[in-house]
Order: sequence, then structure tokens, then C-alpha cells
Amino acid sequence: EVQLVESGGGLVQPGGSLRLSCAASGFTFSRYWMSWVRQVPGKGLEWLANIHQNASEKYYVASVEGRFTISRDNSKNSLSLQMNSLRREDTAVYYCVRDPPKFDFWGQGILVTVSS
Amino acid sequence: DVVLTQSPLSLPVTLGQPASISCRSSQSLVYTDGYTYLTWFQQRPGQSPRRLIYKVSKRDSGAPDRFSGSGSGTDFTLKISRVEAEDVGVYYCAQGAVWPYTFGQGTKLEIK
Repeated sequence: EVQLVESGGGLVQPGGSLRLSCAASGFTFSRYWMSWVRQVPGKGLEWLANIHQNASEKYYVASVEGRFTISRDNSKNSLSLQMNSLRREDTAVYYCVRDPPKFDFWGQGILVTVSS
Repeated sequence: DVVLTQSPLSLPVTLGQPASISCRSSQSLVYTDGYTYLTWFQQRPGQSPRRLIYKVSKRDSGAPDRFSGSGSGTDFTLKISRVEAEDVGVYYCAQGAVWPYTFGQGTKLEIK
């Protein structure tokens, strides 16, 4: 069974940093592109970043480029999102998603709250 | 960026009746490999999105056969042949043909 489990969320002050992780299981992680997607509570979905199977390619949406960094460790079946210079508008539930652009499996999401 | 416009944004439906959601794209979603990367998701209250349809019309194995997708180019439709109570939630279309990938605004389906 494919499982994606996010962790690392919580409350952080504006300007602060946070690192999200996603533990993958039930499939050969190294064979898939992976992504992060977020959802402001009660609002729509926003694609944030993609990473190639071997991390040779990474893509970001303009709103997070230069502040967020996607990475992966295939030996640990783990995906990460380093978030720096956080803003109030980054408050959202963050999802780990497998295999863009097919988007076939999603994690349960982790809440990040940026507030003083 | 590619804009996906869904309609309606609110969809009250009587149990057992059909429902239809439109998703219109600001540009073609045909990728260089010839496939059209238009996907439909269902998000039930309190849950993560769940994929129902990919590449316009391919239904996921876990999706009930009352769900179907159609369309081409820039105009796409999700249809539910007979709405059931478990279909309540928000439905999103998404495109994976042009970076950055984008989502529609969502259509909230409720039971009348």
C-alpha cells in the first residue's frame, strides 16, 4: 500500500524557517518524481515544487522560488521541503504528492502556521 | 500561468441525479508527448485530495464507475451519473501540461 506521511509542521514566526519531511513507503520511491502542494485552510490548491527521481531537476512556483528548497534522500525514501523567510501567507496545509503530473497519491497533509 | 476555470462553483444535487462540472483552460493542455494532462480530484471534508480521473478520461481503479471524464484541448467535463451521499465534497481539476501546474478553483458538491 502506497503511503506518504508528512511531518515537521507547526507554528513559526514570520521570517522564520521550517523543514517538512515526507516518509514514503509501499512503492519504489527512487522511480518517481515527487512534489509538494499546499492548501490554505478552506481555500484551493497550489502546486509548489517538483523534484526528479535523482534530484537532477527541480522546479518551483514563483511564489516560493528562492525561499523554499525541495530535496530527497532515496536511500531513506524521504522527501523534504526546506522553507525559509516564511510569510503569513505561507500558512497552509502542505501535502507530499507522488508522480507529477499524474498526481496519483497524496499524503494526509501537515499544517504550517506562520504567525507572531 | 495556465488558468483553469471551473463551473459551477457550487453544485446542489438531488441524490440519484446526475451532475456535471466544467473545467476550461486558458491554453491547450496537450503535452509534447501527445497526452493531455488534465486530472480530476475529489476532496471530501477533512481529507486529502483523491485522484478520480487522469489524462482526461482514465478512471482510477478505486474510483466508482459513475464518475467519468471527457473533453479535449481546453474544454473538459467531469460527470457523475447518479450522485450518492458519499460524493459530497469539493472537486478540482488540475493541469500538468505546463509548468507551473495549476488547479481550478474547486466545485463544492452538496446534496439538496
